[in-house]
Amino acid sequence: QKEVEQDPGPLSVPEGAIVSLNCTYSNSAFQYFMWYRQYSRKGPELLMYTYSSGNKEDGRFTAQVDKSSKYISLFIRDSQPSDSATYLCALIRNDYKLSFGAGTTVTVRA
Amino acid sequence: NAGVTQTPKFRVLKTGQSMTLLCAQDMNHEYMYWYRQDPGMGLRLIHYSVGEGTTAKGEVPDGYNVSRLKKQNFLLGLESAAPSQTSVYFCASSYTSGVFDEQFFGPGTRLTVL
Repeated sequence: QKEVEQDPGPLSVPEGAIVSLNCTYSNSAFQYFMWYRQYSRKGPELLMYTYSSGNKEDGRFTAQVDKSSKYISLFIRDSQPSDSATYLCALIRNDYKLSFGAGTTVTVRA
Repeated sequence: NAGVTQTPKFRVLKTGQSMTLLCAQDMNHEYMYWYRQDPGMGLRLIHYSVGEGTTAKGEVPDGYNVSRLKKQNFLLGLESAAPSQTSVYFCASSYTSGVFDEQFFGPGTRLTVL
């Protein structure tokens, strides 16, 4: 069983819709959480990070963590075609080991 | 700043051939990493380096070797390529290994082993 599970999608939504992405994990040693965005044929780039349960907002993006359920989410409001990419969750254990989810591919239709 | 660059961008090898992938960064980062990305598997760490002259094994090191002779360069070698090594390889670097120290990724090298 993978340490981090992420539905690969693909996910297709119309422009302006809310995109909801999530990852689940099994090891409670994961304490820090990040989301990376990866455009086609490019390397991933850091989008957001958080470490506490609850919500963190950055513009149209909201990262949500529920440590009790071992569940993290990323929401994209008012989605734009430029948001079309693969989104990877990345989790860090308290021994600093980093594990990536498989990534969810999102297409926002104009 | 060019950031993290990778050479080559694409390569096709025959089984048993060898090759070296080059990663260069101009951000004066101490830490450098090599990952492979396969469909449905996410990014998996092959080897990493915590400074010039150091290397360490990651999650999937078998079949690969690395060297960090200069701080700005991190080389990944395949001594005898196998079809299972067909993948997209990403190099990344970071200033430290701090919890939220961002890893900066290169554009990737697409390798096919026939």
